[in-house]
Amino acid sequence: EVQLVESGGGLVQPGRSLRLTCAASGFTFDDHAMHWVRQTPGKGLEWVAVISWQGGYTEYADSVKGRFSISRDNAKNSLHLQMNSLRPDDAALYYCVRDTLGVPGRSSYFDPWGQGTLVSVSS
Amino acid sequence: SYVLTQPPSLSVAPGQTARITCGGYNIGNKRVNWYQQKPGQAPVLVIYYDGDRPSGIPERFSGSNSGSTATLTISRVEAGDEADFYCQVWGSSDQAVFGGGTKLTVL
Repeated sequence: EVQLVESGGGLVQPGRSLRLTCAASGFTFDDHAMHWVRQTPGKGLEWVAVISWQGGYTEYADSVKGRFSISRDNAKNSLHLQMNSLRPDDAALYYCVRDTLGVPGRSSYFDPWGQGTLVSVSS
Repeated sequence: SYVLTQPPSLSVAPGQTARITCGGYNIGNKRVNWYQQKPGQAPVLVIYYDGDRPSGIPERFSGSNSGSTATLTISRVEAGDEADFYCQVWGSSDQAVFGGGTKLTVL
C-alpha cells in the first residue's frame, strides 16, 4: 500500500523557519516526482513546489519562491520542505503528493495524497 | 498566471446528474485532472487526462474538455458523493494550477 506520512508542522512565529518531512513507502520512491500542496482551513488547494525523481529539477509557486526549498533523500524515501521567512498567509495544511511521472509536466497528475501536516504562523 | 474558474457550489438531488464546470482560457488544449475531497479527508484523484478514471472510481464519474470549459459529470448522484471537487491543470510555467473548488451538496 502506498503511504505518504507528513510531519514537522506546528506553531511558529512570523519570520521564523520550519522544515516539513514526508516519509514515503509502498512504492519505488525515486521513480516519481513529488510535490507539496497546501490548503488553508476552509479554503481551496494551492500548489507549492515540485521536485523531479532525482532532484535535479525543482519549481515553486510564485508565493513561496525564494523562501521555500524542496528537497528529497531517495536513500531514505523522504521528501522535505524547508520553509523560511514564514508569513501568516503561509499557515495551512501541507500535503505531500506523489506525481505519476518522474518529471512533472502536462501529462502528470497527483496520486495519492498524504493526510497533511498543519502549519500555523502567529506571534 | 493561468486561472481556473469553478462555481463555488452546486446542489443536486439523489439520482440526478451533477455537472461541475471548470473554465480556463483554451483549457481544451490542456489535460484536466479532477480531485474529490470529502470533509476531513485528503483529496482523491477521480478523473485524469480529461476523462480517464483511476481504478476504484465508479463509472458514474466521467469528464470532458473542450474549448474554454472542462466538465466533471457525476451520474446517478448518491449521498456519498457529497464533497468538494477541484480541477487542476499545468500552467505555462511548469506550475500546477487548481480551480477554486466546487462544493457539491446532495439534497
